[in-house]
Amino acid sequence: SCELTQPSSVSVSPGQTARITCSGDVLAKKYARWFQQKPGQAPVLVICKDSERPSGIPERFSGSSSGTTVTLTISGAQFEDEADYYCYSAADNNRVFGGGTKLTVL
Amino acid sequence: EVQLVESGGGLVKPGGSLRLSCAASGFTFSHAWMSWVRQAPGKGLEWVGRVKSKSDGETTDYAAPVKGRFTISRDDSKNTLSLQMNSLKTEDTAVYYCRNSGETFDFWGQGTMVTVSS
Repeated sequence: SCELTQPSSVSVSPGQTARITCSGDVLAKKYARWFQQKPGQAPVLVICKDSERPSGIPERFSGSSSGTTVTLTISGAQFEDEADYYCYSAADNNRVFGGGTKLTVL
Repeated sequence: EVQLVESGGGLVKPGGSLRLSCAASGFTFSHAWMSWVRQAPGKGLEWVGRVKSKSDGETTDYAAPVKGRFTISRDDSKNTLSLQMNSLKTEDTAVYYCRNSGETFDFWGQGTMVTVSS
C-alpha cells in the first residue's frame, strides 16, 4: 500500500510530550520525513531519515521508527509548536504524504 | 540562501491550461532533483511529481491524478523549473509549491495559487 495514515488531531498541554504516529507498509522499507506547517506558510522539514533533525530544528523534536510505523515526538511542547504535521515517504517512483495531524497545544 | 519563487498562478476555466514557473537560486540548480507539491484549500499536502537532474537522466514521475495532463520540465541555463498543466479540472484548485529536496534537506517556495472554476 502507498498510503500513510496519521491521526487527524492530537492535543497536548504546554510542557508535556506530544506523539504523532504515521503508519504505512512502505515505512518498513523506506525512510520517512516529517514536516511542520503553520497557517499561511510553506511546510518546514523537522525530521528526515526517520530520526535525523536538520540544523536549526529544536532538540525537542525527535523521530523514531518501528516496523511500519514512524513517530514524531515533541518533548516539552511549546505554544509555537501548534501546527499541522505531515509524514512523507517514498513509494517506488512516487512520493506520498500522510493526511496530516493538527497539533493543538492548550 | 536557497530561494524558490513560484509564479504563473491564477484563475482558469475547466479544461484550460496554465504554466507555472519556479525561479531557483542559492544552490546548484543543475544538480538538483526538483518537485512540485500542491495543497487544496483546507486540505493536506499532495505530491504532484518530480524531475531528476540531467546527469540522472532528467526523467520525470507523476502522481496518478495528474499523469498525462501535467508536464514538469527544467531549464538549467535559467535555473527555472516549470509545470505545464493541461485539461485542468476543478479538483486541481490548490496552492502549488516548488521544492528542492535531498536526503537531509528540503526547501520549499511560498507557493502560487491556481483556481480552476467556471
